[in-house]
Amino acid sequence: NAGVMQNPRHLVRRRGQEARLRCSPMKGHSHVYWYRQLPEEGLKFMVYLQKENIIDESGMPKERFSAEFPKEGPSILRIQQVVRGDSAAYFCASSPLRAPSDNEQFFGPGTRLTVL
Amino acid sequence: KNEVEQSPQNLTAQEGEFITINCSYSVGISALHWLQQHPGGGIVSLFMLSSGKKKHGRLIATINIQEKHSSLHITASHPRDSAVYICAVRGINTDKLIFGTGTRLQVFP
Repeated sequence: NAGVMQNPRHLVRRRGQEARLRCSPMKGHSHVYWYRQLPEEGLKFMVYLQKENIIDESGMPKERFSAEFPKEGPSILRIQQVVRGDSAAYFCASSPLRAPSDNEQFFGPGTRLTVL
Repeated sequence: KNEVEQSPQNLTAQEGEFITINCSYSVGISALHWLQQHPGGGIVSLFMLSSGKKKHGRLIATINIQEKHSSLHITASHPRDSAVYICAVRGINTDKLIFGTGTRLQVFP
């Protein structure tokens, strides 16, 4: 039973380009969470999605960032027109059920985005 | 003031020592998580608890809901325990986690 998969593991982009980060949840999990870890900072919540629905996007920057979790395929975190401040590790987690049940989140290995 | 505070920020220990990492939070919660992040960056979930105490191998996690405090203990520490330990809470009627800034542990042989 594979864990949460993220790809690419490392992504380098130049300022102004687009970054697409993919997350495949664990088998049987229909809830996906995206978190960002800026250099030397703690993890911060970005967005929570169920299949085809955004449940909570209160942590997403207002511009350039979007997320989706289609019926088929992985969840995608998309950053348009990247800037140097977007350089960070982006982690995805998945869970089988929705809170507040006894609901553990399982983390992927992260995608390290570097903006030149 | 952060909603989740951890102490200490950095911790060094000799192999075999008993380790305690503390986490205090200021919001109502439905669950508290302890996570481990290794130098390579991957995150592993160690515990999720909402009351009492849990034990897994040499790791013990406790939580006191009234005092809004949790501790992570490592018995007989080993160099392979060297990592950043992160406390995270899930609020009531919300799905997102709020993270502490982590405790960096180094265990020397």
